[in-house]
Amino acid sequence: QVHLVQSGAEVKKPGASVKVSCKASGYIFITYYIHWVRQAPGQGLEWMGFIYPRDGSQTLAQKLQGRVTMTRDTSTNTVYMELNSLRSEDTAVYYCARERVAGSGRDFDSWGQGALVTVSS
Amino acid sequence: DIQMTQSPSSLSASIGDRVTITCRASQNVTTFLNWYRQKPGKAPDLLIYATSSLQSGDTSRFSGRGSGTDFTLTISNLQPEDLATYYCQQTYGTPRTFGQGTRVEIK
Repeated sequence: QVHLVQSGAEVKKPGASVKVSCKASGYIFITYYIHWVRQAPGQGLEWMGFIYPRDGSQTLAQKLQGRVTMTRDTSTNTVYMELNSLRSEDTAVYYCARERVAGSGRDFDSWGQGALVTVSS
Repeated sequence: DIQMTQSPSSLSASIGDRVTITCRASQNVTTFLNWYRQKPGKAPDLLIYATSSLQSGDTSRFSGRGSGTDFTLTISNLQPEDLATYYCQQTYGTPRTFGQGTRVEIK
């Protein structure tokens, strides 16, 4: 059974960095993209980017380029998302999600439980 | 980027009703269209994939249709546990964009 387990809530000051982890189990880690999606309080879902654990390559949302880095550790089946230069508008729940590929589509079939990041002075 | 537009943004219906949510893509996404359900305080979960395939374990009261740019999610025989926000998502291109969500409330 596929599981994605994320790290806990964080409180950060403006200008700081945060690193959220997502530990995968129940499948072959390197063969599925992992995406990051965030949700500000009371708002919708915002796609942030993805990483391919096989080679570490990443594709990032244009508005976050330069501030976000996604990495992976294949020895622990864990993906990390680091966001720098935090602002109040980065306050959100951050989700990781696995992308499944089928013949007629791609979808996010498994999600982490979410990690609340609060940016406040 | 492919923009996804859902309507309505919210709806209120009675137990047993049939409700339909619409999602429109700004360009052709073929069948690369998914629907997610997000219950209050929970992570989203996959409901419908590839336009019309029901994710395993979900009730057949949910159905999806469409192709190209216009898609619908229908909930038949609305139940109290259907209280949630529903999002469409295209995975034809990158970024993998979501609609703004439709909140379903029970009268």
